[in-house]
Amino acid sequence: DGGITQSPKYLFRKEGQNVTLSCEQNLNHDAMYWYRQDPGQGLRLIYYSQIVNDFQKGDIAEGYSVSREKKESFPLTVTSAQKNPTAFYLCASSSGTLYTDTQYFGPGTRLTVL
Amino acid sequence: GIQVEQSPPDLILQEGANSTLRCNFSDSVNNLQWFHQNPWGQLINLFYIPSGTKQNGRLSATTVATERYSLLYISSSQTTDSGVYFCAPAGWYSGGGADGLTFGKGTHLIIQP
Repeated sequence: DGGITQSPKYLFRKEGQNVTLSCEQNLNHDAMYWYRQDPGQGLRLIYYSQIVNDFQKGDIAEGYSVSREKKESFPLTVTSAQKNPTAFYLCASSSGTLYTDTQYFGPGTRLTVL
Repeated sequence: GIQVEQSPPDLILQEGANSTLRCNFSDSVNNLQWFHQNPWGQLINLFYIPSGTKQNGRLSATTVATERYSLLYISSSQTTDSGVYFCAPAGWYSGGGADGLTFGKGTHLIIQP
């Protein structure tokens, strides 16, 4: 089955710790994205990558880092510098550009900082 | 960037009712998508509709790009239609740059049996 997988589904972190969220796709899409959703709000773009070994900051990149070493994978690290990391994190992918193609989403990871 | 306003913010309907959800946006777009987020958080793409009209079963969408709005129609609502509906346009904005998908705050729809 083609799709986007995210792991883990739930993640608990102590303050001061870095954590890495996994995102894998087997849709052969070039572009991948990370979004953050807070309760009652829409999604906000954290980072995006249009090709391997290249990525760009979105609207709220501070306190996050990413890598894109493989086309299929786009992990997100939430660092201790992120002041309010508790949120729902969604990964997406598309076959083309940020502006013109349909984005497909994974099931999300709920991160809670204790 | 693009400003997005969705209305109504909340909507409660009986099963079988029809509804219209509206999305206003502030700038020219070359991409607009409608998504349904189910109670478990999964976002499902409903339509890619930067302009024109599309239909998929009981759902249809219309975007009038020149007037900067899009409408999502749901007919004969079912309880499984419950969730949050997001509009997300993307495109060139008047400040001279380009923008990715910008999500509105959504319309929270509850369909009662």
